[in-house]
Amino acid sequence: DIQMTQSPSSLSASAGDRVTITCRASQNISSYLNWYQQKPGKAPKLLIYAASSLQSGVPSRFSGSGSGTDFTLTINSLQPEDFATYYCQQSYSTPYTFGQGTKLEIK
Amino acid sequence: EVQLVESGGGLVQPGGSLRLSCAASGFTYSSYWMTWVRQAPGKGLEWVANINLDGSENYYVDSVKGRFTISRDNAKKSLYLQMNSLRAEDTAVYYCAREPRFDLWGRGTLVTVSS
Repeated sequence: DIQMTQSPSSLSASAGDRVTITCRASQNISSYLNWYQQKPGKAPKLLIYAASSLQSGVPSRFSGSGSGTDFTLTINSLQPEDFATYYCQQSYSTPYTFGQGTKLEIK
Repeated sequence: EVQLVESGGGLVQPGGSLRLSCAASGFTYSSYWMTWVRQAPGKGLEWVANINLDGSENYYVDSVKGRFTISRDNAKKSLYLQMNSLRAEDTAVYYCAREPRFDLWGRGTLVTVSS
């Protein structure tokens, strides 16, 4: 199985900050990498698919990059509604494993 | 409206069975692979199983192989997860989602395995 390792596990930031979350795959997954945002009691919401494609309706302050084994999610100019937990997921081969999550908290 | 709605969760004793359903609407259901993802209380996301367009091909995470069966009915626009020999560690919110982008998720249904 492909292991997905996210860092950091938690992150404190202020509104207006720029934050970066990283995700590393245990083997080459090309660009088969998705990023999700999840708020308490809600289903995950797709932000980025295919490593760098912005899902329709998602604000442009969210961006993704990377290929192969190393990926990043960047959020520019944090808004109050961005404080949530973020997950990466590989869709290269089953089982489609997720990272352990990054909890973004208000500083 | 484009949506997925899960149902069938509840409290079940260890060793028991439960069948989850996911009703799709607002899109051409038969054109999409479908998937189940679960989330244990306070934990991260875990992909469980997926199924191809006509139900002839499916894949499972090792922890549920031989116990869970994914299926679909394209005429009813529904996805199912038959869960047998349930264990405490299967306690989770179960979500259905649409592949390949995982761009559409249901709200989830809670399964609690406890005596």
